Amino acid sequence: AQTVTQSQPEMSVQEAETVTLSCTYDTSESDYYLFWYKQPPSRQMILVIRQEAYKQQNATENRFSVNFQKAAKSFSLKISDSQLGDAAMYFCAYRTTRDWMANSKLTFGKGITLSVRP
Amino acid sequence: GAGVSQSPRYKVAKRGQDVALRCDPISGHVSLFWYQQALGQGPEFLTYFQNEAQLDKSGLPSDRFFAERPEGSVSTLKIQRTQQEDSAVYLCASSYNRGADTQYFGPGTRLTVL
Repeated sequence: AQTVTQSQPEMSVQEAETVTLSCTYDTSESDYYLFWYKQPPSRQMILVIRQEAYKQQNATENRFSVNFQKAAKSFSLKISDSQLGDAAMYFCAYRTTRDWMANSKLTFGKGITLSVRP
Repeated sequence: GAGVSQSPRYKVAKRGQDVALRCDPISGHVSLFWYQQALGQGPEFLTYFQNEAQLDKSGLPSDRFFAERPEGSVSTLKIQRTQQEDSAVYLCASSYNRGADTQYFGPGTRLTVL
């Protein structure tokens, strides 16, 4: 079974600064998807960024980018120019791509609470 | 609709009561997922539908939990004889197709069992 580990329960960043959130995972599969989701206090989970394991290039979405190290099974999220609206819980998630027709459930880490200081 | 909706947003039940939680996925989305999120934890998978077919219910914690999606759109998660350990946020997510598509989440239903 796949597992996702987020070992930092909380992080804090100064507005306009850069912060990196860590995530490691364990799998025996060679092809899969990785995600970062954001969950503000209102609880609506929002996709921040996704990475296909077969792609060597790290995904980027505006101020958000990832550092995907497949051999090390590491998938960190970098937030540049942090804004007050970035404050939320961030979850790292894994999904298998094996058996495309079957269940594509997400396996989540425990999450990290990010606070942004004005 | 514009997004996934869930109702009620909050539910308080006395231990032993039955509850029903509703999920309206994005129109046209084939896949629907239910997750359970305990306080301070990440969501955990409960069950998965592809249209009206429940293809995976391996995450349901006990036979008190039952989910259905009879017409392939709206889904209901029912919990019978609720227990205190059932207190959690129940999240619903949908995706357009099988496989690789992004899952879009609803706001969740916070269930408190007294």
